[in-house]
Amino acid sequence: QSALTQPRSVSGSPGQSVTISCTGTSSDVGGYHYVSWYQQHPGKAPKLMIYNVNSRPSGVPDRFSGSKSGNTASLTISGLQAEDETDYYCCSYAGNYIWVFGGGTKLTVL
Amino acid sequence: EGQLLESGGGLVQPGGSLRLSCAASGFTFTNYAMSWVRQAPGKGLEWVSTILNSGHTVYAESVKGRFTISRDNSKNTVSLQMNSLRAGDTAVYYCTQLDYYAHRIWGQGTMVTVSS
Repeated sequence: QSALTQPRSVSGSPGQSVTISCTGTSSDVGGYHYVSWYQQHPGKAPKLMIYNVNSRPSGVPDRFSGSKSGNTASLTISGLQAEDETDYYCCSYAGNYIWVFGGGTKLTVL
Repeated sequence: EGQLLESGGGLVQPGGSLRLSCAASGFTFTNYAMSWVRQAPGKGLEWVSTILNSGHTVYAESVKGRFTISRDNSKNTVSLQMNSLRAGDTAVYYCTQLDYYAHRIWGQGTMVTVSS
């Protein structure tokens, strides 16, 4: 399984919206409704932000939303805040109880 | 909400073995599949292995035949036996709870360093 493709970095100003893409194949992202997104601050464990493409766990602000089209999933963060500046990873189920992660995207809040 | 606490990391020589453990609390352990995910220094996340409620196990190609995942439902623990360790296995290893095909709960991680 090859890693999913994410942009290495994205940036936006406070209050703006940014979108992080995650491109896979029909064997993972395109084949299942099981894309999840994780936020990871330096030195900390990842935190689940989105699951099943567009569902948010309780406690995650509704500024975070997910979507998918074909083999590409997206995480959109609206109303950017300074504390959103960190790393984000996508992950997709790839069948047969196998998961594949993206390479990660560093979000900079300008 | 639930918590996971990993232990067992450390420094090991190439070719050596190490056993990681993960203690779960705050949720019904037998209801969930559990996984190990690792992160090499400065790198991204990599799925390593999953064990289902049934005990069925699955491994990433990079560790197949060298790593063994197991669970003890009486002690609410999941373990990862790592043999024939290589420099490329150096990473922080996270234990995760799988829910709705997502890694919902993460432990704090345990560092494994493979070096002579």
